[in-house]
Amino acid sequence: KNQVEQSPQSLIILEGKNCTLQCNYTVSPFSNLRWYKQDTGRGPVSLTIMTFSENTKSNGRYTATLDADTKQSSLHITASQLSDSASYICVVSGAGNNRKLIWGLGTSLAVNP
Amino acid sequence: EAGVVQSPRYKIIEKKQPVAFWCNPISGHNTLYWYRQNLGQGPELLIRYENEEAVDDSQLPKDRFSAERLKGVDSTLKIQPAELGDSAVYLCASSLAIYTTDTQYFGPGTRLTVL
Repeated sequence: KNQVEQSPQSLIILEGKNCTLQCNYTVSPFSNLRWYKQDTGRGPVSLTIMTFSENTKSNGRYTATLDADTKQSSLHITASQLSDSASYICVVSGAGNNRKLIWGLGTSLAVNP
Repeated sequence: EAGVVQSPRYKIIEKKQPVAFWCNPISGHNTLYWYRQNLGQGPELLIRYENEEAVDDSQLPKDRFSAERLKGVDSTLKIQPAELGDSAVYLCASSLAIYTTDTQYFGPGTRLTVL
């Protein structure tokens, strides 16, 4: 069964601190994994897209890692800012006959001053 | 460059009434998606268009939902009649092509409240 599970469900950190969000998936065959940021009241915005051959990809203060063997990904946020407060959603794309996007439920991050 | 445009941003209707949402994708994007997002959930794909052809509508409740993408550009999603459980945010997204690594660009969504 295609599943994407994210942890933690919610997280509160202080401004300037780092944090890491986790994503585990069972989607197979696998094509790529995406991380989206969704601000309240807005549509999701793509942060990174990684295929199975990519281990890490950065976008500014956001760094995503992928271990296709263990089917795990993480999103690391460095030197958090108040504007990082949002929901972070992991999305896995299947391949071949399983070519669909499976969305996780997201991690709600609150960055406090 | 303008992003994905959706209207209206908010809509409040009574149950059993019809409602329609409009989406204008990014210029040149052949693929258009409609998603429904419930509070605290990830988006759920309703329908995907490649140009004017609906290539994946397996999750679209066809008894009350319909969609069209005339001339392969703008798209309209309609619900008739609306039910209480249809209250959600309806997101439209577009991408350049069908490749699975293509980035999807989302509009701001239409928040529907059915009373």
